[in-house]
Amino acid sequence: AQSVTQPDIHITVSEGASLELRCNYSYGATPYLFWYVQSPGQGLQLLLKYFSGDTLVQGIKGFEAEFKRSQSSFNLRKPSVHWSDAAEYFCAVGRFSGNTPLVFGKGTRLSVIA
Amino acid sequence: GAVVSQHPSWVICKSGTSVKIECRSLDFQATTMFWYRQFPKQSLMLMATSNEGSKATYEQGVEKDKFLINHASLTLSTLTVTSAHPEDSSFYICSANGNDGELFFGEGSRLTVL
Repeated sequence: AQSVTQPDIHITVSEGASLELRCNYSYGATPYLFWYVQSPGQGLQLLLKYFSGDTLVQGIKGFEAEFKRSQSSFNLRKPSVHWSDAAEYFCAVGRFSGNTPLVFGKGTRLSVIA
Repeated sequence: GAVVSQHPSWVICKSGTSVKIECRSLDFQATTMFWYRQFPKQSLMLMATSNEGSKATYEQGVEKDKFLINHASLTLSTLTVTSAHPEDSSFYICSANGNDGELFFGEGSRLTVL
């Protein structure tokens, strides 16, 4: 069965500090991996995605993620967090198909302190 | 890029009334759309897969008669919450695959049932 695990429910970091959000997946086929960010009361914004090729992918807002097949992981990183990064982050896995929805992790809430 | 639009973005209704939420693909045709539900501070849960010209496929535990889905055209899927009750209050999000297979999300619709 497909599943996504985000082990950290809530993370607090200081502004300017580095960030890593963990994501592990279980998927029967070649996965396509996504990170989304959601501000309170808002929809989802795609940060980045991995389909194939270079396992280190760059996204918007200075985020990057690395796909590690051996670890079934797709961790999200940012070298220096800004206060505006405080939000809920969702990792998702899917297939590149018109008939396949994404499976989402439970999300990690990021708080940023001064 | 491809855009998926949802309307209304928020709605408040009385218990017992029905509410319709629209999901439109603005610049591409979508034979398949997905409806998700998100409870406060929780992840997105797939409710159903909407198929143009045929019946929707519902996930286990989702009441078909409560959440009516119609996908009458290649650019429009509607979700009708029938006889809404306070426990139906939630954030509903739709998504659709663009022409290149990438999944795009609507802005979400927040339903509050009084």
